Amino acid sequence: EPEVTQTPSHQVTQMGQEVILRCVPISNHLYFYWYRQILGQKVEFLVSFYNNEISEKSEIFDDQFSVERPDGSNFTLKIRSTKLEDSAMYFCASSAGRGLDEQFFGPGTRLTVL
Amino acid sequence: AQSVTQPDIHITVSEGASLELRCNYSYGATPYLFWYVQSPGQGLQLLLKYFSGDTLVQGIKGFEAEFKRSQSSFNLRKPSVHWSDAAEYFCAVARMDSSYKLIFGSGTRLLVRP
Repeated sequence: EPEVTQTPSHQVTQMGQEVILRCVPISNHLYFYWYRQILGQKVEFLVSFYNNEISEKSEIFDDQFSVERPDGSNFTLKIRSTKLEDSAMYFCASSAGRGLDEQFFGPGTRLTVL
Repeated sequence: AQSVTQPDIHITVSEGASLELRCNYSYGATPYLFWYVQSPGQGLQLLLKYFSGDTLVQGIKGFEAEFKRSQSSFNLRKPSVHWSDAAEYFCAVARMDSSYKLIFGSGTRLLVRP
């Protein structure tokens, strides 16, 4: 069964460093999302991406964040200068279409900022 | 603003007992509601979804949920819990805008006693 994959499973970085979280969505999917979950808190929407551009972003998704689909298979989330409060589990999701098509989630990348 | 409330942080049930996990939503229009399950180390897996029509929705793994508009609720039920059902359960509502992002509740952790 096709699945969304994410690498790495755990990333530890120093405050101020850049990190890139990688996702491989399901191959025929067109809509891509990043969510995050700070420990003990809700899963929160960060950004959605379609047709090589951001379709919506939350207020969390500030200038330090960017997303890219560099090669037609990967979908990346970059944090330019990490802060302690960026420590969280980051989930990638993809869906085949708009609306109410199921969003399939990856297993997540746990980011720890020291 | 849309929101989802899961009032129970933890629930413990005995194996074989019935289960009900509560979810209340706040949404101005017709809601599109989902239940996801997260097992340790896994991504979020869709259990079931409600868009319209029959208010009792059947999902995978023997779960069902009932939409009650008058109570703004979408509670998840299972008649007989198995030890493998121990996980975290998230209720979510989809925003009907350009990205159909998911807004999640804070989750309910289910523990199953042998």
